Amino acid sequence: DAGVTQSPTHLIKTRGQQVTLRCSPISGHKSVSWYQQVLGQGPQFIFQYYEKEERGRGNFPDRFSARQFPNYSSELNVNALLLGDSALYLCASSARLGQRNQPQHFGDGTRLSIL
Amino acid sequence: AQSVAQPEDQVNVAEGNPLTVKCTYSVSGNPYLFWYVQYPNRGLQFLLKYITGDNLVKGSYGFEAEFNKSQTSFHLKKPSALVSDSALYFCAVRDGDGANNLFFGTGTRLTVIP
Repeated sequence: DAGVTQSPTHLIKTRGQQVTLRCSPISGHKSVSWYQQVLGQGPQFIFQYYEKEERGRGNFPDRFSARQFPNYSSELNVNALLLGDSALYLCASSARLGQRNQPQHFGDGTRLSIL
Repeated sequence: AQSVAQPEDQVNVAEGNPLTVKCTYSVSGNPYLFWYVQYPNRGLQFLLKYITGDNLVKGSYGFEAEFNKSQTSFHLKKPSALVSDSALYFCAVRDGDGANNLFFGTGTRLTVIP
């Protein structure tokens, strides 16, 4: 079975632009979470979605938004890009919500560079 | 609020020697603890977890971790390091009474010297 897949793998944008990142969870997984990993730091939680509804939000500005589709894939949108948005964006999936004893499974990420 | 500390940015160890990567945590409820490894240009790969029970947890690739409640620590260990273990290691915690998402430490870069 395929793992978590993310696209694109790399992206270069300029300040002020908008970007959309995509994620497909492991087959059968219904929960998708997004994390931002700035160089030299650990991943930071942005959003969690389950059954197309937002179930958690980290400390990120409203420029960040996301949605989940009926097939459980997800998109992360970032508007008005800033230099500080340059990071590796990771998507993680898990089977259901509330399974705190289960690990999240991560994709290889999208590396976003802002010029 | 949950938090994780990895006090060492870098750990160097000779091949064949035992390795330890340190992690301490703070949570308001029961801790759910995880270790992940990240290779260059890749995502995070799950190694092992502690939920409850035996304080010594065994995981993938010969790694294990020791949970110590009194010291609020969850150190990653391996009896004999391989050069291929060189990577970035992250400790993460999920609060048993709180949100479902993971809180990560800042990571420790492990270098195994041949």
